Amino acid sequence: DAKTTQPNSMESNEEEPVHLPCNHSTISGTDYIHWYRQLPSQGPEYVIHGLTSNVNNRMASLAIAEDRKSSTLILHRATLRDAAVYYCILGEYGNKLVFGAGTILRVKS
Amino acid sequence: DAGVIQSPRHEVTEMGQEVTLRCKPISGHDYLFWYRQTMMRGLELLIYFNNNVPIDDSGMPEDRFSAKMPNASFSTLKIQPSEPRDSAVYFCASSAGGGLAFGQGTRLTVV
Repeated sequence: DAKTTQPNSMESNEEEPVHLPCNHSTISGTDYIHWYRQLPSQGPEYVIHGLTSNVNNRMASLAIAEDRKSSTLILHRATLRDAAVYYCILGEYGNKLVFGAGTILRVKS
Repeated sequence: DAGVIQSPRHEVTEMGQEVTLRCKPISGHDYLFWYRQTMMRGLELLIYFNNNVPIDDSGMPEDRFSAKMPNASFSTLKIQPSEPRDSAVYFCASSAGGGLAFGQGTRLTVV
């Protein structure tokens, strides 16, 4: 399984944008970049995924580097409810997803 | 849509007893995954199914663990006999090949 590297933790102020980085230098051509988050005492929640082009949805944006060796999850305006563990995962479409340690995001009011 | 439904939400059992965890995936989803989460090891993939057929069970820790998917709307994860080190939150997730939808999990405590 291709590996991702994320910071252990990050902190943000409420109402400000958050950029969560992920490095994946060994990504293969068929690997999608997936982002999930896990709020306290809940199951993981799908956030967004992409292959080559940047992606936007109602929750977040995903910016993918041209060489695909890194990506950034962008939360446009952080709220207290966005405090969670964010996981960046590589996986082929329809294949298994192996979760790493993720980034703990703390949001300050 | 009710989402992925797991039962029970909490289970406390004595060491040596059999434990069965249940999962109802989202209708129309043809992939089903079982994960386990502990503080020490994080989220671990145990096994996953496609069209009710087990595809990869390399994450199943040992022979005490077994999983079945008799039909598209039901799966079980069984531990027999259970041990204290099996204490964890067990998540079931389903997908149609894209994003995974997770259930709320079953918190298992083996005493």
